[in-house]
Amino acid sequence: DAKTTQPNSMESNEEEPVHLPCNHSTISGTDYIHWYRQLPSQGPEYVIHGLTSNVNNRMASLAIAEDRKSSTLILHRATLRDAAVYYCILRPIRGGATNKLIFGTGTLLAVQP
Amino acid sequence: DTGVSQNPRHKITKRGQNVTFRCDPISEHNRLYWYRQTLGQGPEFLTYFQNEAQLEKSRLLSDRFSAERPKGSFSTLEIQRTEQGDSAMYLCASSHIDPPSYEQYFGPGTRLTVT
Repeated sequence: DAKTTQPNSMESNEEEPVHLPCNHSTISGTDYIHWYRQLPSQGPEYVIHGLTSNVNNRMASLAIAEDRKSSTLILHRATLRDAAVYYCILRPIRGGATNKLIFGTGTLLAVQP
Repeated sequence: DTGVSQNPRHKITKRGQNVTFRCDPISEHNRLYWYRQTLGQGPEFLTYFQNEAQLEKSRLLSDRFSAERPKGSFSTLEIQRTEQGDSAMYLCASSHIDPPSYEQYFGPGTRLTVT
């Protein structure tokens, strides 16, 4: 399984943008890039996913490098509620794949008021 | 739709006892997953069901662990003869069967403490 590398922790100020990087240099052409986050004392929750093009949704934006070897999760205006561990995960789209999620240790985002 | 629910939320047991956890997925979801999470680590995959069929088990799932999803709806995870190393958060998730880009929805987890 292809691996991802993320910084252990990052800090941000409230109402400022946050860019969370993820390196996945061994990504294959059939891997989706997924982001999940885990708020304190909760199960993970889906944030966003993409394959090749940049993606936007109500929670965040995902910027994917042209060679797909890295991606960046963008929170446009951080709030205190965004303090969480953010996981970057590669999911294969092979037929018959379990599509289990393989989590790393993620990035712990602290948001200062 | 109330999301994925798990019961109990917390369980304290003595070493050697058996414990059983329950997961109720989102009703129309065919796939159900169990994960385990220890402090400071990301969740680790344990096993996966498609409807009532258990299609994959991780090597982490020793013989003391058994999971069922008898009617393709709720699932149970049983741990026999618990050990202190079993102390962890046990997470359940569910998803649609297709396409594989579909997100997984997680429950709040069951925190197990083995004393």
